[in-house]
Amino acid sequence: DSGVTQTPKHLITATGQRVTLRCSPRSGDLSVYWYQQSLDQGLQFLIQYYNGEERAKGNILERFSAQQFPDLHSELNLSSLELGDSALYFCASSVAPTGGRTEAFFGQGTRLTVV
Amino acid sequence: GENVEQHPSTLSVQEGDSAVIKCTYSDSASNYFPWYKQELGKRPQLIIDIRSNVGEKKDQRIAVTLNKTAKHFSLHITETQPEDSAVYFCAASNNNDMRFGAGTRLTVKP
Repeated sequence: DSGVTQTPKHLITATGQRVTLRCSPRSGDLSVYWYQQSLDQGLQFLIQYYNGEERAKGNILERFSAQQFPDLHSELNLSSLELGDSALYFCASSVAPTGGRTEAFFGQGTRLTVV
Repeated sequence: GENVEQHPSTLSVQEGDSAVIKCTYSDSASNYFPWYKQELGKRPQLIIDIRSNVGEKKDQRIAVTLNKTAKHFSLHITETQPEDSAVYFCAASNNNDMRFGAGTRLTVKP
């Protein structure tokens, strides 16, 4: 167990709908990252937060948004869902923005299926 | 932003042989290079990392080397075992984000 908790584990929803994925980082970690992994694909960086503020943005669609709350948990909101949004969404956390002594640990992921 | 390229995309070796996976990065500000192993249906797990002030790091059967001048780093697995079969991802990080390579599917044949 990495200490990073993601809920729900599985989510099935219809096209056009909106969902919220939740991530609780490891105790003491201030940084949260979101990644999208489509079937047999790599880890696409979406966005990173550090202590409540957006730190870096990757290939995140305008239909997607995220935030990190004062208690440091983070939510990824996906709206106007399309079939192509079906993927495994991972959250990772680290003590600080990586680059120092800051290993990042992944949650178990949320598998989103859009039908 | 950072761009990480990883090769090969698939690698098949015989048990006991060595496996080498190579990555290149583009951002000279990157200073942290972790490697993750992802087994089927599971989360990526950190197996080894290296920071830019170090050229080589070893942990039992795995080692990582870094060439900052050439902007490339490599993962070496010696005496491979069937349980090493997984997808391996390299990553590069500056102080703002962490970008991953596309992954290498390693198969170790008994």
